Formats: sequence, C-alpha cells, structure tokens
Amino acid sequence: GAGVSQSPSNKVTEKGKDVELRCDPISGHTALYWYRQRLGQGLEFLIYFQGNSAPDKSGLPSDRFSAERTGESVSTLTIQRTQQEDSAVYLCASSLVRSTGELFFGEGSRLTVL
Amino acid sequence: GESVGLHLPTLSVQEGDNSIINCAYSNSASDYFIWYKQESGKGPQFIIDIRSNMDKRQGQRVTVLLNKTVKHLSLQIAATQPGDSAVYFCAVVYSGGGADGLTFGKGTHLIIQP
Repeated sequence: GAGVSQSPSNKVTEKGKDVELRCDPISGHTALYWYRQRLGQGLEFLIYFQGNSAPDKSGLPSDRFSAERTGESVSTLTIQRTQQEDSAVYLCASSLVRSTGELFFGEGSRLTVL
Repeated sequence: GESVGLHLPTLSVQEGDNSIINCAYSNSASDYFIWYKQESGKGPQFIIDIRSNMDKRQGQRVTVLLNKTVKHLSLQIAATQPGDSAVYFCAVVYSGGGADGLTFGKGTHLIIQP
C-alpha cells in the first residue's frame, strides 16, 4: 500500500500477557517513530529508528517495552507482561527526511488490557 | 530540550467562521514547526509546516503564523467546515534534541457547530 500500515488495528489482551504490534512504513522512508496515545491525550514518544543507526529508546516507559526494526522496513513493538495502564492507541509514523520533513502516520493499533 | 504547551484543549466555532488554534513552545533554538490534524479513529495527518526563517505561511484555507519573539505558533482555518472537526496538534523540532528533536503539543479539539 501507499501509506503506513499497522496491525492489528485492535487488540484485547489479559493483564500479564505479551503483545506484539507491527508497523510497515512507507517504502524508502528511513525514519520510523512509535508513539503512544492514551484516550483524549497527546502523543507520547516511545522510540525512534533512523536507518541503521542505534535507535533512540529514550521514551520507552519501562523495560517491558521493546522495539525492533529490520533495516529500513518493518518494525515491531513488543510489550511484555501487559498492565492495564498500557491500554492506549500505539501509533507508528515514518518519514523520508527525519523530523524535518512530514511524518506519515498509520491508523494505530488500539490495545486494551483487561 | 523542548516543551510544547497547549492554550486551549477545546475550541468550539460556528460553521463558516474562522478558527485560530494556538501553541507555545519553550526552546528558542527550535527551527521547524508543523501542524497535524487527527480525525476520530485515525492517525494524525500533516496540514502545514513552517521553518524558523519565516513568520507566515499559507495553504488552502489554512495559515500558520510563527512569532519567534514570544515563542508562539498559531494555525488559522478560514471558513470552517464540518470536516474540520478534529484534534489539532502542533509539533516543534529542535535540531539535536532527543526523539529526533520532535515534540508534540497536547492538542486542541476543534468542534464545528452547525
């Protein structure tokens, strides 16, 4: 597709389970970002990938959160031992020229932890 | 670093009126500013941007104004339409900052009254 694709669009899980969220960025975009958006709130930065450089993980809220990216393609965000406060929409964005250019967002993965 | 403040979480305007959404930032070295629109259930979408060497930029029905003296950014929407109902986020880039220097504000929910 032409845009950023995220899956699953909705995920309901039980507290304590692990979840994996996937992001397919726009082809050729070297920069990839993950954000968390709680209901009615703004965008909370989680992690940033730029090409083959070491990712900026400064926004990950705990060691239960991790993310990987294969080259300049797919990224996965993993949340281990989910907690109810992890419930949110997780948004992925990609950019051709880092933050000094337009970010293209996916529609998000809505995570509900029961 | 950078922090981006919100002036008004909700703004209600009559259809056909002009809207002004405001944003304040803290770092005078910030050099790139973007407005995003997020419709319900979707990811944010780029509207318009402006670089620090400009103080005004116009698009289709939208104008962004940048006042670097008081570190203030605004988005003006002319002749608002029902489709303009959304949450509007400003984003500020400080080159060399964390998260690729990109910081989002908390958003203003624009409600268009018929």
